[in-house]
Formats: sequence, C-alpha cells, structure tokens
Amino acid sequence: GAVVSQHPSRVICKSGTSVKIECRSLDFQATTMFWYRQFPKQSLMLMATSNEGSKATYEQGVEKDKFLINHASLTLSTLTVTSAHPEDSSFYICSAGPRQGYEQYFGPGTRLTVT
Amino acid sequence: QKEVEQNSGPLSVPEGAIASLNCTYSDRVSQSFFWYRQYSGKSPELIMSIYSNGDKEDGRFTAQLNKASQYVSLLIRDSQPSDSATYLCAPNDKIIFGKGTRLHILP
Repeated sequence: GAVVSQHPSRVICKSGTSVKIECRSLDFQATTMFWYRQFPKQSLMLMATSNEGSKATYEQGVEKDKFLINHASLTLSTLTVTSAHPEDSSFYICSAGPRQGYEQYFGPGTRLTVT
Repeated sequence: QKEVEQNSGPLSVPEGAIASLNCTYSDRVSQSFFWYRQYSGKSPELIMSIYSNGDKEDGRFTAQLNKASQYVSLLIRDSQPSDSATYLCAPNDKIIFGKGTRLHILP
C-alpha cells in the first residue's frame, strides 16, 4: 500500500510555543490530505482538509488561526499548532490517498504534549 | 450529514473463533467501503477495501457488502489475540470516522 510519513512522532513543548508537524506522502502525490486529532479513548476527529496550492478547509469548531495548515507541494502538508496550550495535547494524525475519494492511508501520528 | 453506524463494543470473541463486525450506512450514494484497524495508541491502518456487492476475501479477512441493505461487514476467521483492536469502517466519500468497534480476542 501507499506510505504516509509524519514527523516528529512525539513532541513535548512548553505552553505558548508553536509546533510544526509534517505529513509526507512517500510514494504517491496527493492533492488532498486530511488532518485528524484523537484524544484518549475517543474517535478520530477530522480537523481540516489540506488542499495543495489553496487554502485548507476547516471543520466546524476548529480555529484556523490556531491550527495553520500549509500544503505547499503534492507530497507535503504541514500543521502548525500556534501558541499551544495543555488542552492541545493530543494525538495528531494525517491521511492521504493516491486516488481522491478512495482509500486513505494514515501517517503514524504525532503525539503532542504541551506542558 | 452522512452517517455510518457501528456497534462500539467491546466485542469479545474466543481465540480461534470467527469475529463478525458490522457497519450500516445511511447514504445510498456510497460506492465502496474500507475497513481500518487501529491498535491502541497507534494510527489506523487499511486492512480491506470492497467495491462491489458480495464477498471479498483476503487471508483470514472477508468483507461483505450489500448495497441494497446499506450494510457492510468484516469477518475475521481463526481470531488471534493480535486481532484485538478497534475496527473502523468508512465509505469512500466519507472521511469522518465514527468510534468503531472494539474487538477483544480472548486467549
């Protein structure tokens, strides 16, 4: 299957700082990538759809100025959590697929802890 | 809002038995379905895709799709403790996941 990577896998930061998470499709191009957040024992929550060359589409309740998404190329999308707070501590996962509207492949996730 | 419904479980199945996971959906437009497995603390991984009515087998896994009934299932034969995970089903045009079904294989 297709491979999606994420970096870093784990990050600890202090409250008020910003953290950037990268999502890369390694063996296919993706015009669209998705960002999810998952709290312990909860379901995946879609945060936003990242569109190459255009603005991301955010789900209701997700602050676009806090969660900055940049999809600068067909293989890379970044999520920046700005002015992170402890309540932003979560498991952030991206997904992408070689065919839009078909199977998605998930990155391994990034565990963010804000102290 | 398109909806996918799964029994959240936990579904407990003895080792070696068949685990049956079910999913119903409300949108008749959905053409294909995917099953994902998520281990605790890990991201989901794709385990099965099914695009047409009927059964599709891959090793110990069989996916069944019935578009008329808007129903899709996943059977796991010879269940192993390593199959213990949360299973998510998703139609091809839906990128919002439900909670999935937690499966626990009893050794």
